[in-house]
Amino acid sequence: NAGVTQTPKFRVLKTGQSMTLLCAQDMNHEYMYWYRQDPGMGLRLIHYSVGEGTTAKGEVPDGYNVSRLKKQNFLLGLESAAPSQTSVYFCASSYGTGDGYTFGSGTRLTVV
Amino acid sequence: KNEVEQSPQNLTAQEGEFITINCSYSVGISALHWLQQHPGGGIVSLFMLSSGKKKHGRLIATINIQEKHSSLHITASHPRDSAVYICAVLQLISNFGNEKLTFGTGTRLTIIP
Repeated sequence: NAGVTQTPKFRVLKTGQSMTLLCAQDMNHEYMYWYRQDPGMGLRLIHYSVGEGTTAKGEVPDGYNVSRLKKQNFLLGLESAAPSQTSVYFCASSYGTGDGYTFGSGTRLTVV
Repeated sequence: KNEVEQSPQNLTAQEGEFITINCSYSVGISALHWLQQHPGGGIVSLFMLSSGKKKHGRLIATINIQEKHSSLHITASHPRDSAVYICAVLQLISNFGNEKLTFGTGTRLTIIP
């Protein structure tokens, strides 16, 4: 089925470890986004991309890096994980400004 | 004060009841999204609207741009409607990659059989 696929679905990291979250979409969407969802708060934008080879910072970019080497993939990296990065991460994609969004199923990350 | 406020935060109702969830926002927007998040976490887009009213099955979404308010209604509610419903507003901001989506904190709906 067409959509947005996130891997992994769950992960536990130790403080200081690194990891990469993968987001893949097969809808030929130009725009891709990484959000984090924390209790009592709305989703917050970490980084986004408006096309292959481009990335930009969102509201809460510190401690994360991203890459969009291929149009269908958007990677989110944590170089040195911290407990404050314990969260549920969602990837989303859209054709462009003002279009509907398609979300992935989320990655639950715990940093101990 | 959050730019997007939803009410109520939690709502429990009996199966068959008519449900209304409200969203108020304080910024100028180009569109508003209603999203559904089920237990287990996946988020599904229900509606995107910029004026008037949209209907899909038992779900109806309305927006009043002048009053900066939107409502999501569910008719003949069913236990499978139990989920968190999230309102998000889209702002066109030229120095932010042209658009920014700001989310409310969600309304947790529980429908009891």
